[in-house]
Amino acid sequence: TQLLEQSPQFLSIQEGENLTVYCNSSSVFSSLQWYRQEPGEGPVLLVTVVTGGEVKKLKRLTFQFGDARKDSSLHITAAQPGDTGLYLCAGAGTNAGKSTFGDGTTLTVKP
Amino acid sequence: DTGVSQDPRHKITKRGQNVTFRCDPISEHNRLYWYRQTLGQGPEFLTYFQNEAQLEKSRLLSDRFSAERPKGSFSTLEIQRTEQGDSAMYLCASSNPRGQFATNEKLFFGSGTQLSVL
Repeated sequence: TQLLEQSPQFLSIQEGENLTVYCNSSSVFSSLQWYRQEPGEGPVLLVTVVTGGEVKKLKRLTFQFGDARKDSSLHITAAQPGDTGLYLCAGAGTNAGKSTFGDGTTLTVKP
Repeated sequence: DTGVSQDPRHKITKRGQNVTFRCDPISEHNRLYWYRQTLGQGPEFLTYFQNEAQLEKSRLLSDRFSAERPKGSFSTLEIQRTEQGDSAMYLCASSNPRGQFATNEKLFFGSGTQLSVL
C-alpha cells in the first residue's frame, strides 16, 4: 500500500508570513497532485507535478517534486486569509483518478 | 453551472436503512470516480467508471455498496443496510483524460454527500 504522509497536520499563522508544507512517501509516483479543500466542499486541483525535480509556480504558491518522485513540498509566500483550507497531496500511478491521498495539512491564516 | 453535481448534499439515516446518492459529472467526461472521506483524513478511492463500464473497485467497497453508471452519464452509489461506520462524506469526481497515461488527467470533484448514520 502506498502511503503519503503530510506534515504538519495543522498550521496556524499570521497574514503575511511564509510557510512550507510537506508530502512524503517511500513510494515512487508517476505524478503528484496538490489540492485545496474548504469545509463542506470537494477538493480543487491546484497543480500536477510529473518530472523529478520539477518546480511549478501558481501566483504565491510554489510546488516542488522531489528528484526521486517520492516527495513534494508546497511553499506559500505572504499568506493571506483566503489561503485558509485543507491542503491535500495525492500520488498517482498510471491512473491519476486512483490517487492515494495524504491526510492533509489544515492551514489557518489569521488576519 | 457545468461542474460536478451531487445529490443530496446531506443525508441522515437510521442504521439498517438503504441510501442512494447521485452524481452528475461534467458533460462528456468519460471517467467518473467515487471516493469516501472521513473527518481528519484524505479521500479514499472506492470505484471508478470508464463510460458505463465499472473498471475497478477498492477493497473498501464491501458487498453492501453498489455503484452504477447505466448510460455512461450520471452515476448512483447505493449503500444497503447502513452501519454507523458508513458515516462519511461521499465524493464524486469526473475527468476526461487524453491518451494512455494519465499524467494529464485532471479531476473535478463535486461538493459531496455528507452521510450520517444514527
